Amino acid sequence: AQSVAQPEDQVNVAEGNPLTVKCTYSVSGNPYLFWYVQYPNRGLQFLLKYITGDNLVKGSYGFEAEFNKSQTSFHLKKPSALVSDSALYFCAVRDYGNNRLAFGKGNQVVVIP
Amino acid sequence: DSGVTQTPKHLITATGQRVTLRCSPRSGDLSVYWYQQSLDQGLQFLIQYYNGEERAKGNILERFSAQQFPDLHSELNLSSLELGDSALYFCASSVASGFEGYTFGSGTRLTVV
Repeated sequence: AQSVAQPEDQVNVAEGNPLTVKCTYSVSGNPYLFWYVQYPNRGLQFLLKYITGDNLVKGSYGFEAEFNKSQTSFHLKKPSALVSDSALYFCAVRDYGNNRLAFGKGNQVVVIP
Repeated sequence: DSGVTQTPKHLITATGQRVTLRCSPRSGDLSVYWYQQSLDQGLQFLIQYYNGEERAKGNILERFSAQQFPDLHSELNLSSLELGDSALYFCASSVASGFEGYTFGSGTRLTVV
């Protein structure tokens, strides 16, 4: 079965500094990868996806993600973090077997003013 | 507003009771997915429906059931509730296969006392 791993529970970053949230994947076949963000008491919001094409994917709110096939990674990045970026971030992969998205455990991002 | 509507937003009920959570998918979406989010289990896939038919089943308890109606709205029924069923329940929808990712509702927070 397809799966993703988000190795860090929490990422702390100072406002204005670059933000990276890590995700590695395990798939058989071509990966379909996604990033979602969840603000407190809200549902998950789509940020970006990788299906095919350029390894650097640009998404909402200034986020981007780099697909690296050799390292089986899909890290989420933002050049300059804002306090408002503080939220829970989920990486997900499409599971071919049952056509659903399998989510990682999530990373809490805390941007310190 | 994501276009996916979940009701109610909050639900408090006693152990042993039965509740029904409702989801209206985004206009044009045929697939509905139910997820459970708890602190210790993360985001767990429960079940998927596509155009009225069950498509995939995840970690859904036998006490739980769901259905999708001809107008494509879906209901998740939780019975014989236990304290451990307290969680956020999310509904998501997609056009068909989910290649494009999901659109999530804002969730129903269930508290079992």
